[in-house]
Amino acid sequence: LAKTTQPISMDSYEGQEVNITCSHNNIATNDYITWYQQFPSQGPRFIIQGYKTKVTNEVASLFIPADRKSSTLSLPRVSLSDTAVYYCLVGDVSGGSYIPTFGRGTSLIVHP
Amino acid sequence: EAGVVQSPRYKIIEKKQPVAFWCNPISGHNTLYWYRQNLGQGPELLIRYENEEAVDDSQLPKDRFSAERLKGVDSTLKIQPAELGDSAVYLCASSAKTGFFGQFFGPGTRLTVL
Repeated sequence: LAKTTQPISMDSYEGQEVNITCSHNNIATNDYITWYQQFPSQGPRFIIQGYKTKVTNEVASLFIPADRKSSTLSLPRVSLSDTAVYYCLVGDVSGGSYIPTFGRGTSLIVHP
Repeated sequence: EAGVVQSPRYKIIEKKQPVAFWCNPISGHNTLYWYRQNLGQGPELLIRYENEEAVDDSQLPKDRFSAERLKGVDSTLKIQPAELGDSAVYLCASSAKTGFFGQFFGPGTRLTVL
């Protein structure tokens, strides 16, 4: 399983763009990168998933360089409600043997 | 469409007592996961089901934990007897057979063992 490393915490202000980087140096060829968001007293929520280059949805963008050894979750114009813990997962999601492994995540605090 | 349903939401018991958690996954999701989440940590996978079959239970403390998924739908996770260190949030999630588009999590059950 590819190990991931994320910052423990980040601070930002409303309206700013936030970029959270995840390192995964031993990512395998078939591995995808998946990000989750978790609010207090709730289960994690799927945000975005990608394999290479750039993926964008209505919530975030995911940037993956050519060597795929890292990835960056970009949250545009954050608001107070984006205060949460963000998890980066790496694994082969294409088969039934996928075992999701969460680390400690990045605690993002958005200030007024 | 209803999400993943878990009950109870909260449970307080004394050590050595048994406890059970119930999960109803999203309709049509063949894969079901049970996680344990300790304060300040990410979720830790306990067991994964593909339909009725437990395909990964390497992290499940088998001396006191058990799980079942009858008919490949609802699932129950049991602890007997509970210990102080079992206090945590127990999360259930479901997904399509593969991991594309992620898992859908329930709200969890917060267990406190006194």
